[in-house]
Amino acid sequence: DAGVIQSPRHEVTEMGQEVTLRCKPISGHNSLFWYRQTMMRGLELLIYFNNNVPIDDSGMPEDRFSAKMPNASFSTLKIQPSEPRDSAVYFCASSFAQANYEQYFGPGTRLTVT
Amino acid sequence: RKEVEQDPGPFNVPEGATVAFNCTYSNSASQSFFWYRQDCRKEPKLLMSVYSSGNEDGRFTAQLNRASQYISLLIRDSKLSDSATYLCVVSLSSGYALNFGKGTSLLVTP
Repeated sequence: DAGVIQSPRHEVTEMGQEVTLRCKPISGHNSLFWYRQTMMRGLELLIYFNNNVPIDDSGMPEDRFSAKMPNASFSTLKIQPSEPRDSAVYFCASSFAQANYEQYFGPGTRLTVT
Repeated sequence: RKEVEQDPGPFNVPEGATVAFNCTYSNSASQSFFWYRQDCRKEPKLLMSVYSSGNEDGRFTAQLNRASQYISLLIRDSKLSDSATYLCVVSLSSGYALNFGKGTSLLVTP
């Protein structure tokens, strides 16, 4: 069975450019989470969706970040404009809403903004 | 203050040793507790849940102390393959978002 799929796996971009990260959750899961991981701050929850509806976006750093989930099988996280401090590994995870403790993570997107 | 605090380590132990990690959490309303494992440059994966009465899964034992608001993970008979970062995770309840600690790094050496 396919797990959570993320693309791209690596992204190098210049400051000021738009970055779009993509995620396909596990089929049948109805919760989706976007995380950011850095050495300094660890794993931080940015936003999560339940049945395609954003439930908590309090972790989104600022207006430069936006996330969408147009359907149950696809989500995007967009950064516009990107800044060097956005460099991190971005993980997408999915789960059954009734069992959010068991989240299945994708392989992550390693973003470098120069 | 971060909601979940862990000693970052690294813990360097020889094969066969017993090692224990602790983590503390700040929100006394937290109801659900877990340990996740993250291998180097990989994604986190659920290792085990932590129940009030304590629970064991093979060589791994997890315990919860609600009064002191800390969680522990004990690994017996360490294997080389146990080398990873162990993330302490706390949630208000099932169905709520997870709060991850920054992790404790374990290196098991031959």
